[in-house]
Amino acid sequence: NAGVTQTPKFQVLKTGQSMTLQCAQDMNHEYMSWYRQDPGMGLRLIHYSVGAGITDQGEVPNGYNVSRSTTEDFPLRLLSAAPSQTSVYFCASRSFQGPAFFGQGTRLTVV
Amino acid sequence: GENVEQHPSTLSVQEGDSAVIKCTYSDSASNYFPWYKQELGKRPQLIIDIRSNVGEKKDQRIAVTLNKTAKHFSLHITETQPEDSAVYFCAASYSSGGYQKVTFGTGTKLQVIP
Repeated sequence: NAGVTQTPKFQVLKTGQSMTLQCAQDMNHEYMSWYRQDPGMGLRLIHYSVGAGITDQGEVPNGYNVSRSTTEDFPLRLLSAAPSQTSVYFCASRSFQGPAFFGQGTRLTVV
Repeated sequence: GENVEQHPSTLSVQEGDSAVIKCTYSDSASNYFPWYKQELGKRPQLIIDIRSNVGEKKDQRIAVTLNKTAKHFSLHITETQPEDSAVYFCAASYSSGGYQKVTFGTGTKLQVIP
């Protein structure tokens, strides 16, 4: 039981490049989410999904896309990276009324 | 939507003293309140949680209290140790549009001074 697996752990992008952060969970959780964490700003919700085929925007969705084709996977795509997207990204999954389990995080730097 | 406020943003205590972190929430429909600990460079991890039908829950040196009338809940850490130094997040979970949503507080950085 691996829990939530998130890759990569570190990434450096040039402005304008695109990339996909991968997230997979093996707990059969319905809910999956992506957060970004910036100093002093806690965890801000980017996008979330309540089941396969269902996604919705969170607090800071601009510049990011998601899809949920399976229960297990919830990738986050950066369409055209900008320096403002430099942050630490966390994927999380949970059951309907349970606690969130987080991935190891991705430290992204956009230069 | 739900709004969760967390105080203080930073907290320094001497080793062995107690630490208290407080959160307030706005939506009376919130019914699940987890607390997470995030060590430097690591992922947030659940340390304790409480549901709305319970007023207090304890796990060794950690306890959480919930006051539904006042809409606030608190994390209490007794006999603090240096390894308790971390950022702590509270959260409130509530139903919206048939789904269960979660709102996090902004975090408290706890420093335990040896």
